[in-house]
Amino acid sequence: AQSVTQLGSHVSVSEGALVLLRCNYSSSVPPYLFWYVQYPNQGLQLLLKYTTGATLVKGINGFEAEFKKSETSFHLTKPSAHMSDAAEYFCAVSFNDMRFGAGTRLTVKP
Amino acid sequence: DTEVTQTPKHLVMGMTNKKSLKCEQHMGHRAMYWYKQKAKKPPELMFVYSYEKLSINESVPSRFSPECPNSSLLNLHLHALQPEDSALYLCASSERSGGTETQYFGPGTRLLVL
Repeated sequence: AQSVTQLGSHVSVSEGALVLLRCNYSSSVPPYLFWYVQYPNQGLQLLLKYTTGATLVKGINGFEAEFKKSETSFHLTKPSAHMSDAAEYFCAVSFNDMRFGAGTRLTVKP
Repeated sequence: DTEVTQTPKHLVMGMTNKKSLKCEQHMGHRAMYWYKQKAKKPPELMFVYSYEKLSINESVPSRFSPECPNSSLLNLHLHALQPEDSALYLCASSERSGGTETQYFGPGTRLLVL
């Protein structure tokens, strides 16, 4: 069965600092991996996705993620956090349907 | 345009009421989804429609009844709900179901059952 695990339910960074949100996957076949963001009282918005090909995936709002098969990881990064990045972030894996991780709440301190 | 719309935005209903949630997309997508999301939790898949046919039902209680009248519309009919059904209900669509398909989400309907 396919699943993802997000390490850390809450991450707090200062404005301008590096953002690192961790996601590890479990899959018996090549996985299709996604990162979504959810702002308060809104739906989910796709940040980026990995299907095949280049292992470094660039997304919207300056986010990127690197697929590392050897580490079964798909961590999300952004070089410099902005106050507007404060939100809930979900990693997801897709096969016949999409399964989400538990989520990581990002707080950005001024 | 990657917009999925949902109505209403908020809904308060009693346990004896009948209400419906509506979802619409005009992207030509042939797969549509209902998710339930409780506070501080990830979305949980409820139903998947593929080419207007119900393809996945994740053992959802019969008080939730989905309907796909056409390829652009998805409804969720609610009857005799319980207070624990209070949640954010999200609709999503994708070109096809499964695999590499990106799901596009609507803003959700926040439901409160009294």
